[in-house]
Amino acid sequence: DAMVIQNPRYQVTQFGKPVTLSCSQTLNHNVMYWYQQKSSQAPKLLFHYYDKDFNNEADTPDNFQSRRPNTSFCFLDIRSPGLGDAAMYLCATSRGDRAGYTFGSGTRLTVV
Amino acid sequence: AQTVTQSQPEMSVQEAETVTLSCTYDTSENNYYLFWYKQPPSRQMILVIRQEAYKQQNATENRFSVNFQKAAKSFSLKISDSQLGDTAMYFCAWTYGNKLVFGAGTILRVKS
Repeated sequence: DAMVIQNPRYQVTQFGKPVTLSCSQTLNHNVMYWYQQKSSQAPKLLFHYYDKDFNNEADTPDNFQSRRPNTSFCFLDIRSPGLGDAAMYLCATSRGDRAGYTFGSGTRLTVV
Repeated sequence: AQTVTQSQPEMSVQEAETVTLSCTYDTSENNYYLFWYKQPPSRQMILVIRQEAYKQQNATENRFSVNFQKAAKSFSLKISDSQLGDTAMYFCAWTYGNKLVFGAGTILRVKS
């Protein structure tokens, strides 16, 4: 089945140690999104790629970066994780027609 | 401001009963999509139902239906014959450009 896959499911990282989260898709969708979701809150969009065009949200901290080397993969890099960055990170994709979005299972990040 | 508001932080319903979750939004756009997503404790974001703003007919998916009032900018979700598996966080969302913007969510608990 076509899907969005996030690895790893759970990630523990040390305070200040760079960490990378991975997302891949078999849907051939043009747009890939990264959301941060803290406990019992709505997902908050960090940034998205429309093909190779990167779109950062105005309030996304500089500590968060993203790479999209090809259509299938997108990475979220956190350069110096703080305790406040502990959250679920959700990857989503769409064709860019606003009609539908497919989510991965998420990566739960713990910072120790 | 382009916002989505869910005014009910938590709701409970007895199994087999009907429950309605409220959502209002604010937009100056005329053509957009509205969604209800379900997020059970497993954290996978699952699409429940979708409504295209230019369609007057309310969307229906099995036990799930919406009451879409475009002029009032209201988009409520009705769940009929509630089941224990419906217990989850429910998010109302709409498309702003290429982005999916979420409301704060409503926790729904179905009781046996």
